[in-house]
Amino acid sequence: DAGVTQSPTHLIKTRGQHVTLRCSPISGHKSVSWYQQVLGQGPQFIFQYYEKEERGRGNFPDRFSARQFPNYSSELNVNALLLGDSALYLCASSLAHNEKLFFGSGTQLSVL
Amino acid sequence: AQSVSQHNHHVILSEAASLELGCNYSYGGTVNLFWYVQYPGQHLQLLLKYFSGDPLVKGIKGFEAEFIKSKFSFNLRKPSVQWSDTAEYFCAVYGNNRLAFGKGNQVVVIP
Repeated sequence: DAGVTQSPTHLIKTRGQHVTLRCSPISGHKSVSWYQQVLGQGPQFIFQYYEKEERGRGNFPDRFSARQFPNYSSELNVNALLLGDSALYLCASSLAHNEKLFFGSGTQLSVL
Repeated sequence: AQSVSQHNHHVILSEAASLELGCNYSYGGTVNLFWYVQYPGQHLQLLLKYFSGDPLVKGIKGFEAEFIKSKFSFNLRKPSVQWSDTAEYFCAVYGNNRLAFGKGNQVVVIP
């Protein structure tokens, strides 16, 4: 069975640009969450979506947005990139919104 | 909002030594606690979880953790580590539709 898949695996952008990160959950999982992991820190919660609705939002600026599609895949969008947005972005899926999370390998974003 | 504290960010020990990683949490609701592990070059994987019942939880690869409600703690233990246990370990508490992670413990096991 395929796990949580994320694309791309690596990405390099410049300040001010926009980025879209994609996530496909495990088959049958209806909840997708996004986390940001800066080097040397634990993952920080950004968003959770369940059944295509936003169920939680972390302490991130409005430049960060996300959505979930009818097939339960998800996109994370970040506008007006800053150097500080450089991080590993993790997607996790679960059967329901309070179940065990399964993580993908992440997208490593570098902002120059 | 919930939060997690992990101490001793870097731990170096020899094979066969015992390992204990501390985790203290803060959350006012029903507690769901997790330990995740991240091996070099791999994604986060669940080691064990506590939702309710027996406060001593056994996970994969010989790891266990004990939930002590009075101390707001969920410490991870392994009696005898192996070189393959070299990894970063994260404690997390679930609440308000999100996991709050600690900063992690980087564990290096010397053969």
